[in-house]
Amino acid sequence: EDQVTQSPEALRLQEGESSSLNCSYTVSGLRGLFWYRQDPGKGPEFLFTLYSAGEEKEKERLKATLTKKESFLHITAPKPEDSATYLCAVQAAQTGTASKLTFGTGTRLQVTL
Amino acid sequence: NAGVTQTPKFRVLKTGQSMTLLCAQDMNHEYMYWYRQDPGMGLRLIHYSVGEGTTAKGEVPDGYNVSRLKKQNFLLGLESAAPSQTSVYFCASTRGQGYGYTFGSGTRLTVV
Repeated sequence: EDQVTQSPEALRLQEGESSSLNCSYTVSGLRGLFWYRQDPGKGPEFLFTLYSAGEEKEKERLKATLTKKESFLHITAPKPEDSATYLCAVQAAQTGTASKLTFGTGTRLQVTL
Repeated sequence: NAGVTQTPKFRVLKTGQSMTLLCAQDMNHEYMYWYRQDPGMGLRLIHYSVGEGTTAKGEVPDGYNVSRLKKQNFLLGLESAAPSQTSVYFCASTRGQGYGYTFGSGTRLTVV
């Protein structure tokens, strides 16, 4: 059974204070690891897909990295508008999985002035 | 492009009532999904479809039914609502393996 564990559950940062969110996973063959951002009262918004260990992707102040057991979402010099819940999900490589994603419970990030 | 549209956005049901949630996508995606999101439990897959006319059970299918008569629409039905079905429901779609999902904005359902 695929499993995704995210830590910490909640994180409070001051503006400009860099940090990292962790996503640990177990999956029987990884097709892809996905990061999403979710604002209160809205649906998750796609950020990144990582496919293999060592891969990195960046978008503005966010950088996602991947190893064989975990992924990190690094936030550099965050701003209040980065406040959101960040979700991690994995997709298994086996055929017949119908592109299903298994999600973690998320990290709730709050960035204050 | 509207992406994924869910209706209604909010609904209050009495125990035992039935309702249908509608999901429509305009991206010609083959795969569509219904998830529920509850505090502390993350997103859990209810049912999914890999193409028009197909449906399959996900992780938590009991008490729900689905239909995909047209490629662009995926309907989620509650036959006899229970308080345990109080949740936020999200529909999502994707073109296939390795691609991210596009989510709708959600339906907040309360069963009293």
